[in-house]
Amino acid sequence: GQQVMQIPQYQHVQEGEDFTTYCNSSTTLSNIQWYKQRPGGHPVFLIQLVKSGEVKKQKRLTFQFGEAKKNSSLHITATQTTDVGTYFCAGFGTDSWGKLQFGAGTQVVVTP
Amino acid sequence: DVKVTQSSRYLVKRTGEKVFLECVQDMDHENMFWYRQDPGLGLRLIYFSYDVKMKEKGDIPEGYSVSREKKERFSLILESASTNQTSMYLCASSLWRGTSPLHFGNGTRLTVT
Repeated sequence: GQQVMQIPQYQHVQEGEDFTTYCNSSTTLSNIQWYKQRPGGHPVFLIQLVKSGEVKKQKRLTFQFGEAKKNSSLHITATQTTDVGTYFCAGFGTDSWGKLQFGAGTQVVVTP
Repeated sequence: DVKVTQSSRYLVKRTGEKVFLECVQDMDHENMFWYRQDPGLGLRLIYFSYDVKMKEKGDIPEGYSVSREKKERFSLILESASTNQTSMYLCASSLWRGTSPLHFGNGTRLTVT
């Protein structure tokens, strides 16, 4: 079945630095979503990517969907303490409509 | 704003008990989901429903059942709770099947002793 993998599992970042988290699927995805979960909170939707090669930006966050629609990345520039949390990617497989598969998440810790 | 409400934030149950986790959404969403979240494993889909009285198995349905008698309510049932079902349970809803973002509840942390 479809599997979604995220790397790294943990990311320690100095405030002001950039970092990237990656998401890879074993199968082609129809679309991919990104969520953020703050410590003690629940996942909150950030963005959805649908088209091959699509790039979307939200302020300091840049999201990219791979050409083959099997991978995605989230790049954060000039990390701030408000970026602390766990970032999940989640994808709908082309043959698993309705079943959103989540990656294990990247837990981000920001050092002031 | 979409509100997904889970009935309990924390729950402690004994092994063998029947456990009900309730979830209500207020935005007339078609789809509802139950996930469990464990460290290092992310969110794993237990069951989902895309219509009243409809249900589909997710990736880890064993030991669980669900009920959706009304559109706004989706219940997760642990028929006979076991210690390996100690986890954070998250309910979510979405408007359309396949493309809509999920709106999550605050979660229920279940401990089975």
